[in-house]
Amino acid sequence: GQNIDQPTEMTATEGAIVQINCTYQTSGFNGLFWYQQHAGEAPTFLSYNVLDGLEEKGRFSSFLSRSKGYSYLLLKELQMKDSASYLCAMGSWGKLQFGAGTQVVVTP
Amino acid sequence: EAGVTQFPSHSVIEKGQTVTLRCDPISGHDNLYWYRRVMGKEIKFLLHFVKESKQDESGMPNNRFLAERTGGTYSTLKVQPAELEDSGVYFCASSQESGDTFTDTQYFGPGTRLTVL
Repeated sequence: GQNIDQPTEMTATEGAIVQINCTYQTSGFNGLFWYQQHAGEAPTFLSYNVLDGLEEKGRFSSFLSRSKGYSYLLLKELQMKDSASYLCAMGSWGKLQFGAGTQVVVTP
Repeated sequence: EAGVTQFPSHSVIEKGQTVTLRCDPISGHDNLYWYRRVMGKEIKFLLHFVKESKQDESGMPNNRFLAERTGGTYSTLKVQPAELEDSGVYFCASSQESGDTFTDTQYFGPGTRLTVL
């Protein structure tokens, strides 16, 4: 199977850094994706990793370790608008398998 | 450039009725996907079209669900007859055919919220 686990909720202060972990058990996948979803809106692509290591995209970075079975999304310089659900998803031959999402609450 | 659009945004129907959801992908995107999120659960894959062909329909729950993509442009997902457990948010996504389907970025629509009473 490809069980994907993420924390349910995280709270952080504006301007801070938050790391959202995603762990999985799988026999194989092509890429590990991160999406942001505000309530009632479409999931929006943030980042993906195919190879192990860190991918940096502005305030958002994503890391993958296949040997350790985990990924994380790092959000820096948090802004109020970053309050949203963050979805970890494994891509296999086009199909995405999602975790349940982590609700990030940014406080002033 | 317009994003993925879905219609309707909300649908409330009674058990046993039929509902058809529509998805218009981003222009030029050959890959089209349907996903569903039922309350309290994660988003789950339903099926994948490449142009007008079904590439993978392993996530379709049962034969009450029928997806079509005639002409390889927009797609419809019909539920007939609808059951209570079909309630949820149905998302459509599309991606370009880059030759590397493994990592094609999927762009999602806002979803259709279906409520079956």
